Amino acid sequence: AQSVTQPDIHITVSEGASLELRCNYSYGATPYLFWYVQSPGQGLQLLLKYFSGDTLVQGIKGFEAEFKRSQSSFNLRKPSVHWSDAAEYFCASLADDKIIFGKGTRLHILP
Amino acid sequence: DTEVTQTPKHLVMGMTNKKSLKCEQHMGHRAMYWYKQKAKKPPELMFVYSYEKLSINESVPSRFSPECPNSSLLNLHLHALQPEDSALYLCASTPPGRGYSTDTQYFGPGTRLTVL
Repeated sequence: AQSVTQPDIHITVSEGASLELRCNYSYGATPYLFWYVQSPGQGLQLLLKYFSGDTLVQGIKGFEAEFKRSQSSFNLRKPSVHWSDAAEYFCASLADDKIIFGKGTRLHILP
Repeated sequence: DTEVTQTPKHLVMGMTNKKSLKCEQHMGHRAMYWYKQKAKKPPELMFVYSYEKLSINESVPSRFSPECPNSSLLNLHLHALQPEDSALYLCASTPPGRGYSTDTQYFGPGTRLTVL
């Protein structure tokens, strides 16, 4: 069955430091993959998506993600975080007519 | 216009009340979704409408009744809810073309529902 795993429930980084949020998927074929961000009490905003082609995907707000088939991963990265990046981040996959979300990673930013 | 709007932003209702949540998009999207999200959890799919027809009902209790009057509007009618139904209700939509299962979902800001 399809699944998405975000191993880190919480991540804390200092403002200006680099960031990597991990995501692993489980699916026989290549799924469609997404990263969404959610600020408290808000809806989900799409950061980026991967359907096919170039495995390094650029998104909004300076985020990028790399699809690695050999590792079944789609990790999200940002070279320098800002205090406004503090939020919940969801990795999701779309396959077999279902969108499956990971449990989310809460990002905390230290000043 | 690249926006999904939801009204109201907040709703407090008693267990005997009848209320409705509204979702609207003017992007020409032909698939629309309702999700329920509890605190610190990912969204859970409730319903999918594709071309104004109900395509997926994820075994949602009948006290939740969806309606899609036209391609831009999606309602969720609420009746006799329970306190455990308190959550953030999110609407999403998908562009036409590849089918509702194969494209990006764009989310609205949600309605925060509290059932007393």
